Amino acid sequence: AQTVTQSQPEMSVQEAETVTLSCTYDTSENNYYLFWYKQPPSRQMILVIRQEAYKQQNATENRFSVNFQKAAKSFSLKISDSQLGDTAMYFCAFKGDSGYALNFGKGTSLLVTP
Amino acid sequence: DSGVTQTPKHLITATGQRVTLRCSPRSGDLSVYWYQQSLDQGLQFLIQYYNGEERAKGNILERFSAQQFPDLHSELNLSSLELGDSALYFCASSVAGSGGPQETQYFGPGTRLLVL
Repeated sequence: AQTVTQSQPEMSVQEAETVTLSCTYDTSENNYYLFWYKQPPSRQMILVIRQEAYKQQNATENRFSVNFQKAAKSFSLKISDSQLGDTAMYFCAFKGDSGYALNFGKGTSLLVTP
Repeated sequence: DSGVTQTPKHLITATGQRVTLRCSPRSGDLSVYWYQQSLDQGLQFLIQYYNGEERAKGNILERFSAQQFPDLHSELNLSSLELGDSALYFCASSVAGSGGPQETQYFGPGTRLLVL
């Protein structure tokens, strides 16, 4: 079974600063997909960024980028130029090529302060 | 807005009752997933349907059932409700449900269920 670990339950960052959220996973599969979802106070689950394991290049979406280390089974999310609207719960998720469902970590609560 | 719709947004009911949650996937998506988010269990996969057929089952209780209709909307039925069933229930959809980048799942706004 795949497990996803987010070791930082809570983090805080000042507006305009950069913050990195950690995620590690455990799998025996060679091909898989990794995602970061954001859950703001509205509770909506919003896709932030995704990474295919067979792609060596790290994914980037505007201010959001990942550092994907396949050998270390690490998938961290970097948020640059943090904004107040980035305040949310962030979930790391794994989907194996042989599976259908997303396996989620327990989440990191990020607070962006003025 | 992800394009996935869920109704109702909130539901308050009593123990022992039965409720039905409804989900409409994004236009063109054939696969629907149901997830439960609770404080103690986190986000858990319940069940997946693809083009009307059940494809995968997760930690879904026997008191819960689901189906996907020909128009691709899905319903999650929760019966003999217990206090512990109080949670946020999400529906997500994806294009194919089988693999590849198109497998990105887009979530609806959720249904918040409170069992009293």
